[in-house]
Amino acid sequence: QSALTQPPSASGYPGQSVTISCTGTSSDVGGYNYVSWYQQHPGKVPKLIISEVSKRPSGVPDRFSGSKSGNTASLTVSGLQAEDEGDYFCSSYAGRNKFGIFGGGTKLTVL
Amino acid sequence: EVQLLESGGRLVQPGGSLRLSCAPSGINLNNLIMTWVRQAPGKGLQWVSGIAGDGDDTYYPDSMKGHFTISRDTSKNTLYLQMNDLRVDDTAVYYCAAWNFGGKYFDLWGRGTLVTVSS
Repeated sequence: QSALTQPPSASGYPGQSVTISCTGTSSDVGGYNYVSWYQQHPGKVPKLIISEVSKRPSGVPDRFSGSKSGNTASLTVSGLQAEDEGDYFCSSYAGRNKFGIFGGGTKLTVL
Repeated sequence: EVQLLESGGRLVQPGGSLRLSCAPSGINLNNLIMTWVRQAPGKGLQWVSGIAGDGDDTYYPDSMKGHFTISRDTSKNTLYLQMNDLRVDDTAVYYCAAWNFGGKYFDLWGRGTLVTVSS
């Protein structure tokens, strides 16, 4: 299974909104409503911020939102804050016995 | 506080073997679907293996079959990853992570252990 495709970088000014895309195929992103997003700060452990396309775990600010259209999922960060800077990885369920496949990651910079 | 703690990572020569361990605190792994996920330096995440709650079924991406073996010791409440014939491109931080079956996502993550394969 090939990795999902994410842009290598994204940026925005504080207070702005940024959207990160995650493109797969009908065998993963397009085939299931099981896309998750993880935030990772340098030297830290990945943290789940979105599950099942658009669900936010407890404690994740509502500035983070997820959506999906066809084979492409998106993460939108609204009202950018300095602490949002980091790497963001998408993941999609890819079928029985395959668990999750990941995107290559997007480095978000707050200008 | 619920935590996962990996251990066993170190510098190893190409062709060598290594066994990683993942021990929890504050949680019983024995009813959880557990996985290993790795991250090469400066790179993305890659699912490496998974094991059912009862330990009877194991899962690997095609690229890992025969290369790694996941197992668990229920008496010790510990997860393992046996890594054989290690290659330079196996160099990575290896995380153990619980798999949320209902939502199909990687839930609780350990802090990771670094495996460096180099001569």
